[in-house]
Amino acid sequence: GESVGLHLPTLSVQEGDNSIINCAYSNSASDYFIWYKQESGKGPQFIIDIRSNMDKRQGQRVTVLLNKTVKHLSLQIAATQPGDSAVYFCAENGDILQGGSEKLVFGKGTKLTVNP
Amino acid sequence: DTGVSQDPRHKITKRGQNVTFRCDPISEHNRLYWYRQTLGQGPEFLTYFQNEAQLEKSRLLSDRFSAERPKGSFSTLEIQRTEQGDSAMYLCASSLRGQGTEAFFGQGTRLTVV
Repeated sequence: GESVGLHLPTLSVQEGDNSIINCAYSNSASDYFIWYKQESGKGPQFIIDIRSNMDKRQGQRVTVLLNKTVKHLSLQIAATQPGDSAVYFCAENGDILQGGSEKLVFGKGTKLTVNP
Repeated sequence: DTGVSQDPRHKITKRGQNVTFRCDPISEHNRLYWYRQTLGQGPEFLTYFQNEAQLEKSRLLSDRFSAERPKGSFSTLEIQRTEQGDSAMYLCASSLRGQGTEAFFGQGTRLTVV
């Protein structure tokens, strides 16, 4: 399954399918991006990160793609499993032009539901 | 060390009361962050510390909010004269180095102001 548009609040896929979650970020000067997974009632859990000098980075079953031209970030999950059901947030470090802010700026998130 | 620890996990308080939350970061991490998350939204930055120094505060952090990290280890976030709009999940995170280093989050403290 693939999300339609740059931001889709929910995405539903079948177990075993590949999932693609998209994110549009706001600050063209951001140089570090992270994807977090958040299950209900829990804190965000780090999945994968990427720096702006890279276009692609792969982890275990996950791949992050960065398109700086259009300020777009995507998370691909291969062979999606029921345990992948959660809300996924992209985050960027913003305001680095103002002295190097340490804060992460989060998107609104996409809720992924994996159907068995 | 099993990660970032927050206490309490849940807090229900009456409007106008003061509340204090505690965060214990991963032990070797020198940077500690507080975020607030409301239902259906991503976490919003409140403030961060490098060791014991509070280096940045968001405009979201009104005068009723104060955070401390006195010895550069655990941190507390206090909210005075709580309002219903303060109801949210308060998340703490820590990281080892500066920009471009992953931040590890705790489980959060869920505050409900009634």
